[in-house]
Amino acid sequence: SAVISQKPSRDICQRGTSLTIQCQVDSQVTMMFWYRQQPGQSLTLIATANQGSEATYESGFVIDKFPISRPNLTFSTLTVSNMSPEDSSIYLCSVEVFADRGEKLFFGSGTQLSVL
Amino acid sequence: AQKITQTQPGMFVQEKEAVTLDCTYDTSDPSYGLFWYKQPSSGEMIFLIYQGSYDQQNATEGRYSLNFQKARKSANLVISASQLGDSAMYFCAMRSGNQFYFGTGTSLTVIP
Repeated sequence: SAVISQKPSRDICQRGTSLTIQCQVDSQVTMMFWYRQQPGQSLTLIATANQGSEATYESGFVIDKFPISRPNLTFSTLTVSNMSPEDSSIYLCSVEVFADRGEKLFFGSGTQLSVL
Repeated sequence: AQKITQTQPGMFVQEKEAVTLDCTYDTSDPSYGLFWYKQPSSGEMIFLIYQGSYDQQNATEGRYSLNFQKARKSANLVISASQLGDSAMYFCAMRSGNQFYFGTGTSLTVIP
């Protein structure tokens, strides 16, 4: 398994500001994922972050709005830029761990973001 | 096409009883993985159980078991001896190819 520390756990932000979410893993991992979960919805993948390369964004998500850093194999940040109330969601980082029975996805504790 | 289907938006179960949460999936890959996660009101996603497509036996983790019926493409989660702390959202997920797919979730409420 993997232990993932994510912070902040929650924040209330003003429209037009930016928030950076940090994700720290207790072991080196190749791929880290950032998900968004809007209220009452399932998880939507924002982007995949590999160390040493640009993040790969899913359809509907762009780097200017959600810049991601991945400086090493244990850490990543996601910034939600120029926030609006529509950005109010839970943001989750996750890592894929390869075990003998297959790949497993573990999540951080999540960041509950409210934008006023 | 929807890859993971959870048809039960909400479920209720009496404390100490067992409950089954339904999940069906769709994939043409011969190798895939199936997962269940619990999400309490705090928002974190807690890994519960994993079933590989080639696993012969149903996965079990304590009070959680996965009823894997490959021919029917179903991977139902069974929670035995429900506890009040089991009240949460439960998500079924699948890894197929390089992608993870999530269902829409089932809200479980355990009644004292």
